[in-house]
Amino acid sequence: DGGITQSPKYLFRKEGQNVTLSCEQNLNHDAMYWYRQDPGQGLRLIYYSQIVNDFQKGDIAEGYSVSREKKESFPLTVTSAQKNPTAFYLCASSWGPSNTEAFFGQGTRLTVV
Amino acid sequence: AQKITQTQPGMFVQEKEAVTLDCTYDTSDQSYGLFWYKQPSSGEMIFLIYQGSYDEQNATEGRYSLNFQKARKSANLVISASQLGDSAMYFCAMREGKTNAGKSTFGDGTTLTVKP
Repeated sequence: DGGITQSPKYLFRKEGQNVTLSCEQNLNHDAMYWYRQDPGQGLRLIYYSQIVNDFQKGDIAEGYSVSREKKESFPLTVTSAQKNPTAFYLCASSWGPSNTEAFFGQGTRLTVV
Repeated sequence: AQKITQTQPGMFVQEKEAVTLDCTYDTSDQSYGLFWYKQPSSGEMIFLIYQGSYDEQNATEGRYSLNFQKARKSANLVISASQLGDSAMYFCAMREGKTNAGKSTFGDGTTLTVKP
């Protein structure tokens, strides 16, 4: 079945450590995105990529980094520079045409301990 | 200023009744798209319905319909014949101009609870 896989589902990190969240899709979508969701709030865009080897900052990119070396994969690294990283992270992908919806993964819940 | 406003943090509806979830938006673009997503307690986001700014007819998808009032900049979601499985958080989102659908601005959501 086609879809988006995020791993792990739960992640704990010590303060000062970098951590990488995985996102893989087999939908052959060109575009991929990372969102952050805080409790009771909507989604905020961290980074997005429209093609391989290219990505752009979203609204809250500080303290995060990404890579897009393969079409299927768009990992997100939460660096120690991110002051408040505890949140729910959602990865999404879409075909590219602007009137098409995004497909989302199941999310990763990151907790800093 | 908020680009997407959902004024109802929580809503209750009786099973089998209809419910309207409000969404207003703010944009100066002529071309934009509006989306509604459902987020169950498990966390994944499920696409429900899409309305383009140039679409003259209101979008419908099964029990979901979008009441699009362009002059008022509102895009309310109507769920008919509510089911217990409709209990979830609902998000309105907007894509402006020619940006990709994924680069959308989301509202803060409305939590819908369906009562048996």
